[in-house]
Order: sequence, then C-alpha cells, then structure tokens
Amino acid sequence: NAGVTQTPKFQVLKTGQSMTLQCAQDMNHEYMSWYRQDPGMGLRLIHYSVGAGITDQGEVPNGYNVSRSTTEDFPLRLLSAAPSQTSVYFCASSSSGGPGTEAFFGQGTRLTVV
Amino acid sequence: RKEVEQDPGPFNVPEGATVAFNCTYSNSASQSFFWYRQDCRKEPKLLMSVYSSGNEDGRFTAQLNRASQYISLLIRDSKLSDSATYLCVVIPYTGGFKTIFGAGTRLFVKA
Repeated sequence: NAGVTQTPKFQVLKTGQSMTLQCAQDMNHEYMSWYRQDPGMGLRLIHYSVGAGITDQGEVPNGYNVSRSTTEDFPLRLLSAAPSQTSVYFCASSSSGGPGTEAFFGQGTRLTVV
Repeated sequence: RKEVEQDPGPFNVPEGATVAFNCTYSNSASQSFFWYRQDCRKEPKLLMSVYSSGNEDGRFTAQLNRASQYISLLIRDSKLSDSATYLCVVIPYTGGFKTIFGAGTRLFVKA
C-alpha cells in the first residue's frame, strides 16, 4: 500500500541547477499539491492540480513549474535553483480537495541549494 | 495577518498532564477544519477533523467556535508518544481547493 511516493528523499543542488522532484500516488486521487515547509512558516502551497491536465498556482509559485499529464504523477520542477529554495518539500493528494477531505502526504524531499 | 495562526509553543508538559492548543483563522467563511500531527522529520498525518458540535477521539477533543473564529485541541493524560508538532488546518470556502496550514505548535511531553 504505497500511498504517496516522493523521490528523491534528499538532494543537494548548486545555485542555477535545475531538477525535478517526483511525486506519484496510487489512490486514484484527483487532487494533488506541492508544499514547502520552512522553520516557523508552516506548510506553504506552491502549486496544485485538480485533475490531469489542470494545474494552478498556490501561495509561493515563483521558481517552480508543474505539469499533470496523468492522474498518478505530479512532478515539481525547479527551473534555476536558488539558496532561498532550500526547504523540505511535501507532495500531497486527496480524493477531491474540497472541504472535509483528508490529505495524504509523501515522506518529503529535503533539498539544499548551495 | 496570517490566515491561520497558532500558539507558537513549544509546550513542555509532564506525562499525565492536560494541554490545550488554540488556533485562529481569519476567513469567516471557512468550510472545514482539521488537526494534523507531524513527528520530527516526518510528513504530516491527519489527527482528527473538527466539527461544529465538537468531537472527541479517545484522549483528544477538538472544538470549533465559528463566532470567534478559533479551533482548539485538548489532549488529556499526555503520553510521551504525544510529543510532536500539531498543525491547525483550514479549508476556506473559496470554491477552490486551497488548504491553509498553520505554522504548528510543538509539544514535548517529558517523563
């Protein structure tokens, strides 16, 4: 019972490099989202998707791109990494995303940009 | 003002103590409310939903006060295993799917 799977778990990037954080869920959930978590800031929404082919920006979208070609996968791309993007990234999915819906999280990716 | 604000903590309590966390939200039209628990270096997991009438799950009681726009979590008979960060979560009634997380309150239960 995999749930939400994120890869990699840890990553170190140099400033200016690009990379993709992978997220996959096997629960047939329509709604998926990416958050970043920084000390004292809580989880902040980066991008979200309400179904294949549909994405939208969250609170802190700058510097990140997403796409949703399938229900299962929702990758997050860092276009040109900056030290300010050092954070813990969580992917989450839920059956509808609407009120009353539980979110299931992946185990997180700890990203350091040097 | 943040959309969801929590007691900053940390709360340090002895085993067996009762501890309460509060959370305020700014959007009066908010639809749904939850408490999530996050262990150190782990992902958040749902602890309980919060209903208008209040709800209880074992040693945990959640309350919602829509008039004052706050929710609370009460933990009775604290255990060492309750040590974690507790996140207040609000889904506003915006027609979209935005979920707002509080910054969390850290709880340490000591023997």
